[in-house]
Amino acid sequence: NAGVTQTPKFRVLKTGQSMTLLCAQDMNHEYMYWYRQDPGMGLRLIHYSVGEGTTAKGEVPDGYNVSRLKKQNFLLGLESAAPSQTSVYFCASSYHPEGPVGEQYFGPGTRLTVT
Amino acid sequence: AQKVTQAQTEISVVEKEDVTLDCVYETRDTTYYLFWYKQPPSGELVFLIRRNSFDEQNEISGRYSWNFQKSTSSFNFTITASQVVDSAVYFCALSGVRSGSARQLTFGSGTQLTVLP
Repeated sequence: NAGVTQTPKFRVLKTGQSMTLLCAQDMNHEYMYWYRQDPGMGLRLIHYSVGEGTTAKGEVPDGYNVSRLKKQNFLLGLESAAPSQTSVYFCASSYHPEGPVGEQYFGPGTRLTVT
Repeated sequence: AQKVTQAQTEISVVEKEDVTLDCVYETRDTTYYLFWYKQPPSGELVFLIRRNSFDEQNEISGRYSWNFQKSTSSFNFTITASQVVDSAVYFCALSGVRSGSARQLTFGSGTQLTVLP
């Protein structure tokens, strides 16, 4: 049981390049999330998904796209990277039966630098 | 809108001292959940506790304790007899519960705790 995994762990991009971050979870969770973490700002939600085939915008969605073609995978895409997207990206998943809100399980993070 | 405020940006204590990390939240939801996460220097986020808005009992887990006060919208975290291994960034987070909501977490900006030997 690997939990939540993220690929890659580190990446350096030049302005204008594109890339996709992959998140995978093996806990059969319905909900998945992408956050970015910047110094002094905590984690901010980029996009999220409440199930296979669904996606929705979070707090800071501009410049990113996502897809959830399979329940276990949640992809985050940067079509044209900008220096402002230099950050640490975290993926998370959770199980939310009607009623209690479950804790989110986080991946190890991807450190992205855009030059 | 939801908001979580962690006013203490950095705290430094000497080992074995007690330390309290403050968390104040705002939400219009009548049902909500509060969380604390730990982020050690290695970078991963570790879940510590979840508390729902109907349960105001304080909780203790070893050296950790949490004080939830709905009247002041606070959910403070105390570490008793701190240890060097407690050095980390601690995040408080809030999730409201509304029909059809995605149960997103709203995070505070975090408190960097440094425990000196």
